[in-house]
Amino acid sequence: EVQLVESGGVVVQPGGSLRLSCAASGFTFDDYTMHWVRQAPGKGLEWVSLISWDGGSTYYADSVKGRFTISRDNSKNSLYLQMNSLRTEDTALYYCARNPPTGYWYFDLWGRGTLVTVSS
Amino acid sequence: EIVLTQSPGTLSLSPGERATLSCRASQSVSSSYLAWYQQKPGQAPRLLIYGASSRATGIPDRFSGSGSGTDFTLTISRLEPEDFAVYYCQQYGSSPVTFGQGTKLEIK
Repeated sequence: EVQLVESGGVVVQPGGSLRLSCAASGFTFDDYTMHWVRQAPGKGLEWVSLISWDGGSTYYADSVKGRFTISRDNSKNSLYLQMNSLRTEDTALYYCARNPPTGYWYFDLWGRGTLVTVSS
Repeated sequence: EIVLTQSPGTLSLSPGERATLSCRASQSVSSSYLAWYQQKPGQAPRLLIYGASSRATGIPDRFSGSGSGTDFTLTISRLEPEDFAVYYCQQYGSSPVTFGQGTKLEIK
């Protein structure tokens, strides 16, 4: 089955760190650019970060630049998001999402998300 | 950044009726780089439409997208019970990509 499964979401204090993971299956992972997208409670969707198929290119939303780092391990079919200096406004459901081969930044496969809560 | 405004916020219709959802952009979306997604509670979002009017793989033909520039529409020709969900539009013509706030389609 073609799917993405996120994990690693927990409750963390402001200023803390966390690493999210996304396990891909059912498709050739290293053929695809991958993204993280988040959704704060009761809010809309917000793009967070992108990584190219080989990890050579990465991009970040201004809201997380300098604090979050995206990475991947193609040998493990896995995507990661290292989150440092967490703020209460980072509280959200974090989705990993696949970029279609067209190269345009929309998302043809999503996971169900993992919840990150930043609270003291 | 381009702000997308979806309307209405909630749409109450009955199965078999036609649904028309709107997505308006604060600036022109280049080359109609607009996508639509469906999300049901506890489920992953699903891509419905890309390029403003192209259906994604496996999407029934009762779903159609139209529009250009700043005004886009998702139409569901005859609502099935499984279509009641939240729908989001997303532009990918300029950086950063942005999403609308969603339209909830509920059973009347």
